[in-house]
Amino acid sequence: EAGVAQSPRYKIIEKRQSVAFWCNPISGHATLYWYQQILGQGPKLLIQFQNNGVVDDSQLPKDRFSAERLKGVDSTLKIQPAKLEDSAVYLCASSSSSGQETQYFGPGTRLLVL
Amino acid sequence: TQLLEQSPQFLSIQEGENLTVYCNSSSVFSSLQWYRQEPGEGPVLLVTVVTGGEVKKLKRLTFQFGDARKDSSLHITAAQPGDTGLYLCAGRRGATNKLIFGTGTLLAVQP
Repeated sequence: EAGVAQSPRYKIIEKRQSVAFWCNPISGHATLYWYQQILGQGPKLLIQFQNNGVVDDSQLPKDRFSAERLKGVDSTLKIQPAKLEDSAVYLCASSSSSGQETQYFGPGTRLLVL
Repeated sequence: TQLLEQSPQFLSIQEGENLTVYCNSSSVFSSLQWYRQEPGEGPVLLVTVVTGGEVKKLKRLTFQFGDARKDSSLHITAAQPGDTGLYLCAGRRGATNKLIFGTGTLLAVQP
């Protein structure tokens, strides 16, 4: 069974530019999560989708971050405009449902904002 | 505010040594998980503990959930270089699937 796929794996941009990350969850998984992991810290949940609806986006900086999962499968996370403090690994995870199911993580996208 | 504090932050030991990593909080969690994350990869689930006082073993790794479900520990016996990685605890509160991750412990096992 294929795992969670993410692209790109690495991205370097200058501040004030925009960037987008893509995630393809495990087939059949209804719930998708985006996390931000700053170097030396644990992941922090940015947004959780159940199918194509948002369940929790309380920690998403909505002035610059946006995410969508239009068809309930793939998802994109966008940052516009990027700030230096957005440099981090962005992890996507999926689970079969929104109950207490195991979350499976992708390899992450490493973003460096100069 | 970091709800889950891990200690130590960094640990460098020789192959064959034993070690313990702690995960502490002032909050009660319905369950607690431990993950290992290797460089360039996402976290991988090692174990889930649910009951206060619960002890689970995974080969050389022993996990314990505190009686009050506020803290947990991970003990590794006879560490090997393959154990190197970032160890993360993560707690769930209530019936949701929202994970609150700890601050992480970076372990390096030297051959």
